[in-house]
Amino acid sequence: KNEVEQSPQNLTAQEGEFITINCSYSVGISALHWLQQHPGGGIVSLFMLSSGKKKHGRLIATINIQEKHSSLHITASHPRDSAVYICAVWVGGSRLTFGEGTQLTVNP
Amino acid sequence: GAGVSQSPSNKVTEKGKDVELRCDPISGHTALYWYRQSLGQGLEFLIYFQGNSAPDKSGLPSDRFSAERTGGSVSTLTIQRTQQEDSAVYLCASSLLAGAGGTDTQYFGPGTRLTVL
Repeated sequence: KNEVEQSPQNLTAQEGEFITINCSYSVGISALHWLQQHPGGGIVSLFMLSSGKKKHGRLIATINIQEKHSSLHITASHPRDSAVYICAVWVGGSRLTFGEGTQLTVNP
Repeated sequence: GAGVSQSPSNKVTEKGKDVELRCDPISGHTALYWYRQSLGQGLEFLIYFQGNSAPDKSGLPSDRFSAERTGGSVSTLTIQRTQQEDSAVYLCASSLLAGAGGTDTQYFGPGTRLTVL
């Protein structure tokens, strides 16, 4: 079993829909990251969380440390949000472990 | 440019040759990370440099892989005696803080696509 599990693996939505991507982890962590990988391969860091909730534009990330779970929400989704979203956790102060990613496609 | 840069952008080599991949972090960033992504696969952590501390090399996939960071800035990832399974995109990232690793936003470079024939 992977230390980081994401769901769903694939998600197709219509423009304007509210989207949720989930991430569960099984180890103690010092931080959790949400990354976005564009179709061309470039990676952008969206959020770094150690507790609570963060918001940036239409993106919201939450983390529940007790339940070892994080969610990434996208409000009013747009085709340009189509990308792979990756959850990653910093473990033991020395390594970053990645989920398999969620492929999001937003249709106009 | 103000971002993380990597060179070369593409590298094709023959099995058994050595290759060097370079990463220039954002100026002033004290932490530097190397990752790789094999075709159709997820991201894999390789190694991270925090300030001038010696890195934890346990994430490197084999002893053919080594990395160094000179003067706390530029880093080189070296793969000796390359194998076909080393073919992947090698990504570098940097972050500002030299505190507990991973607790700061990372800025990714464009990657080096390595193909071993």
